Amino acid sequence: DAGVIQSPRHEVTEMGQEVTLRCKPISGHDYLFWYRQTMMRGLELLIYFNNNVPIDDSGMPEDRFSAKMPNASFSTLKIQPSEPRDSAVYFCASTLAGPLSNEQFFGPGTRLTVL
Amino acid sequence: SQQGEEDPQALSIQEGENATMNCSYKTSINNLQWYRQNSGRGLVHLILIRSNEREKHSGRLRVTLDTSKKSSSLLITASRAADTASYFCATAAIHTSGAGSYQLTFGKGTKLSVIP
Repeated sequence: DAGVIQSPRHEVTEMGQEVTLRCKPISGHDYLFWYRQTMMRGLELLIYFNNNVPIDDSGMPEDRFSAKMPNASFSTLKIQPSEPRDSAVYFCASTLAGPLSNEQFFGPGTRLTVL
Repeated sequence: SQQGEEDPQALSIQEGENATMNCSYKTSINNLQWYRQNSGRGLVHLILIRSNEREKHSGRLRVTLDTSKKSSSLLITASRAADTASYFCATAAIHTSGAGSYQLTFGKGTKLSVIP
């Protein structure tokens, strides 16, 4: 298995533009997580899905952020409109049967820069 | 809110020495996990210790958990230059406010530098 795949690896955009980050979890994993990492705030859980259904989105910073998981092999995190404070590394992770029993597998991350 | 806090924030040692990193948290947990992150990469899982376990080993790694003190430690023995990375603890527990949801919280990490 190729592991968790994220695209793009780097994204530079201007304030106000829409940004879409993509993730393909490990085949067979039923949980998918989106995280954001910054120097100031560390690693923050934004939202997670179980069997394609969003379970907890309390970490999503505001309405400009949205996430979808249309099927078991694909998820998107969208920011519209983007702002400079959204600059961060965004990670996707997946696991089988949830973090209470298993490790999470992280993708390589998308480094987002909003100018 | 529950949160893992690593200590120290940065650690620099000579190759061959042991490295110890600590993690403290605030509320009850189901398990505690340690991850490693090399610069510019994603996190890699190292070890998971459940709340009813006190110690776990994996190769040169030793993790302890003291639920009475709400703390954990990660020991890396005979460190190597390749161990240079940031190390994070993450606590997992059932979320008190959401049915069926859980809370997974990462600390800000300990940056370990192993000097050859």
